[in-house]
Amino acid sequence: EDKVVQSPLSLVVHEGDTVTLNCSYEVTNFRSLLWYKQEKKAPTFLFMLTSSGIEKKSGRLSSILDKKELFSILNITATQTGDSAIYLCAVASNNYQLIWGAGTKLIIKP
Amino acid sequence: DAGITQSPRYKITETGRQVTLMCHQTWSHSYMFWYRQDLGHGLRLIYYSAAADITDKGEVPDGYVVSRSKTENFPLTLESATRSQTSVYFCASSEGTGGAREADTQYFGPGTRLTVL
Repeated sequence: EDKVVQSPLSLVVHEGDTVTLNCSYEVTNFRSLLWYKQEKKAPTFLFMLTSSGIEKKSGRLSSILDKKELFSILNITATQTGDSAIYLCAVASNNYQLIWGAGTKLIIKP
Repeated sequence: DAGITQSPRYKITETGRQVTLMCHQTWSHSYMFWYRQDLGHGLRLIYYSAAADITDKGEVPDGYVVSRSKTENFPLTLESATRSQTSVYFCASSEGTGGAREADTQYFGPGTRLTVL
């Protein structure tokens, strides 16, 4: 059975800290891995990763994929209170459905 | 550019009533999806549609009905609402065609918070 596992499930850090969120997967017919951010509303798209070792970056957020070891990490540097959210990882397979992880709830304390 | 919209945003109904949640997208995306999100369960797929008149069950389809007569609309109907269907419902869409990986990206509507009393 295809699955996506995120860790940790929750994380509390202080403003300015750097955090690393993990996503491992076991999915047949892997196409891509996606990261989303969910505040008190709908998930919003952050990154799509398709190739190993190529970092995607947007401001203080960056992500990388390892297709050999079947995982991805999402890094956030110099965290701000606005980074508090649930971060969701999902993997796309051949039928265009996304297999979702349970999410990591990140809380940034001022 | 409206993108993807859902209505109503909030709905309170009673057990046994029929409820329809609406979803509309302006991108002409081929694929549309309905999810429910509950504490402790994350996002769970209810139904999805690859094109007009093509729908298929997801992980938790029981108690729900969908239709897609037009590409831009994908309504979700709860035929006889139950308390266990109290949840936040998200509609999403993706290009889903052409083979490009970018077509996998799903874009979400704002959600409908449904309470069944």
